[in-house]
Amino acid sequence: SYVLTQPPSVSVAPGNTARLTCGEDNIGGKNVHWYQQKPGQAPVLVIYSDTDRPPGIPERFSGSNSGTTASLTISGVEAGDEADYYCQVSDSSRDHRVFGGGTKLTVL
Amino acid sequence: QVQLVESGGGVVQPGRSLRLSCAASGFTFRTYHMHWVRQAPGKGLEWVSFISYDGSDKYYADSVKGRFTISRDTSKSTLYLQINSLRAEDTALYYCARDRAGGSFDYWGQGTLVTVSS
Repeated sequence: SYVLTQPPSVSVAPGNTARLTCGEDNIGGKNVHWYQQKPGQAPVLVIYSDTDRPPGIPERFSGSNSGTTASLTISGVEAGDEADYYCQVSDSSRDHRVFGGGTKLTVL
Repeated sequence: QVQLVESGGGVVQPGRSLRLSCAASGFTFRTYHMHWVRQAPGKGLEWVSFISYDGSDKYYADSVKGRFTISRDTSKSTLYLQINSLRAEDTALYYCARDRAGGSFDYWGQGTLVTVSS
């Protein structure tokens, strides 16, 4: 089964750009989805199918996926973006879903 | 608006059983696949189980296969998770989530907490 590798933590100053990564041998061949989870809250879908934003998600959130790394980029980071972020793919061979271990984004 | 409300969690002894429920509203429940996802305290998200829109297909994570059973009642717009032979490692917040075409989860409930302890 797939193992998605995310760095445990990323720190960024307000106004700067945060790039969160999700690694797997052939992740470029899969649809990658990203979730934001703030403390005490349920996860929220912020990017689906590599690059698409659900309604209501700011344009500051963008995604990319190629080769062995998928990325979630947050431009103009705000204090309210501080959260845990999880990547997720489908294991189509078994109809399972797989999450990465999550990255805690800290806004300095 | 879409709402998913879980219930049924609690403190339960190892080896016992529990049934979780997820009441859905604000969308046509019978046309959507559904999932259960759990999160142990202080840990990451773990996908648990999937059920197709009509209940004909069901899949489980290896960690729960044989002990958990997912089901749905279209007449009640409710998703269920029957959990048997509970273990300490099943302690977690259990979320139900709606499947979005393409493999993501577009709506989540607030979760119901299961604590396995003697």
